[in-house]
Amino acid sequence: DVKVTQSSRYLVKRTGEKVFLECVQDMDHENMFWYRQDPGLGLRLIYFSYDVKMKEKGDIPEGYSVSREKKERFSLILESASTNQTSMYLCASNLVVSYGYTFGSGTRLTVV
Amino acid sequence: RKEVEQDPGPFNVPEGATVAFNCTYSNSASQSFFWYRQDCRKEPKLLMSVYSSGNEDGRFTAQLNRASQYISLLIRDSKLSDSATYLCVALEAAGNKLTFGGGTRVLVKP
Repeated sequence: DVKVTQSSRYLVKRTGEKVFLECVQDMDHENMFWYRQDPGLGLRLIYFSYDVKMKEKGDIPEGYSVSREKKERFSLILESASTNQTSMYLCASNLVVSYGYTFGSGTRLTVV
Repeated sequence: RKEVEQDPGPFNVPEGATVAFNCTYSNSASQSFFWYRQDCRKEPKLLMSVYSSGNEDGRFTAQLNRASQYISLLIRDSKLSDSATYLCVALEAAGNKLTFGGGTRVLVKP
């Protein structure tokens, strides 16, 4: 089974801090994605990447950046955390999108 | 209008009963569709893909109606463990992006 691992299950950060969320997948997948999930708003795509050093903006990229230096790792960066970035963050990967995604277990981030 | 819309529920279902719910999509060019299941405070997990001819996996049946732009999920002989939120997902024709509905919550009760 494909495994997508997110480094932290729960995080609490202060407003203005730089926050790194790490995601690693072990199946040599080309495609990786970052979503946030909020009650009433569902899953919203922040950024995605189809290859190393490649990134594309999703629907809500403002306030975020990403890094993909190695194929297996896709990092989400909050340059200056704000309280409206309190959310559940989900990383996903796949080889071929028609097969759907495999998600990591999520990071619940609270910004205080 | 949201690209993928679902009734948020909850659908309260007696154990052993059948429940069905739909999802509508606005992009007629959407290529493929999926149902995901998400348990409380967990990540979504792929339940099944939805094929043009409809498909069945055990107690679960998915149907696609392209003319009316909706997909459906039917659960037969509901189990307590089927209680979850079911997410409808559409693959856009252009690019590799999946668009998620807001989810339908199902509660199976004894």
